Amino acid sequence: GAVVSQHPSRVICKSGTSVKIECRSLDFQATTMFWYRQFPKQSLMLMATSNEGSKATYEQGVEKDKFLINHASLTLSTLTVTSAHPEDSSFYICSARTGGLGNTIYFGEGSWLTVV
Amino acid sequence: QKEVEQDPGPLSVPEGAIVSLNCTYSNSAFQYFMWYRQYSRKGPELLMYTYSSGNKEDGRFTAQVDKSSKYISLFIRDSQPSDSATYLCAMSPGNQFYFGTGTSLTVIP
Repeated sequence: GAVVSQHPSRVICKSGTSVKIECRSLDFQATTMFWYRQFPKQSLMLMATSNEGSKATYEQGVEKDKFLINHASLTLSTLTVTSAHPEDSSFYICSARTGGLGNTIYFGEGSWLTVV
Repeated sequence: QKEVEQDPGPLSVPEGAIVSLNCTYSNSAFQYFMWYRQYSRKGPELLMYTYSSGNKEDGRFTAQVDKSSKYISLFIRDSQPSDSATYLCAMSPGNQFYFGTGTSLTVIP
């Protein structure tokens, strides 16, 4: 199946610093990528939808200035958590949409962010 | 009413049992239906993908879509302890994707 790579898988940062997470579709072009946040034993929470070459669309309640999303190419989207705080500690997951007749999404492996 | 409803479980079955996981939905525009498996602390993995109605089989897994009833199912035959995970249903009318909350499954050896 299609592969979506997410990096880093784990990151620890100090409070007040920024962290960038990359999401790459390795064997298909993804015009749309999605970013989610997941708390332990809870379902996926969609944060934003990222379309290549345009501004991301954020879900209600998600601070766009805090969670900066860039989708500069058809295979790469990045999520930057700015001025991170301990409450931003979470599991972040990206997914990429294949589009066309086989319209489905493939997920990255996820990134564990711990803010200390 | 949520777009997609899924019983969160938890569901616990003995090894070798047949597992039935289900989701219902309300949007008749959904055409693409997916099942994902998520192990703890990992990203979801696509298990089955179905377009429109019908059945699809892949090894021990069978996905069924009944658009008239707005109901989809995933069957796991001869369940194994390695099947213990959370199973997410997902569906799409085209551009957006809607997920169930996930069903936690434990297969007991």
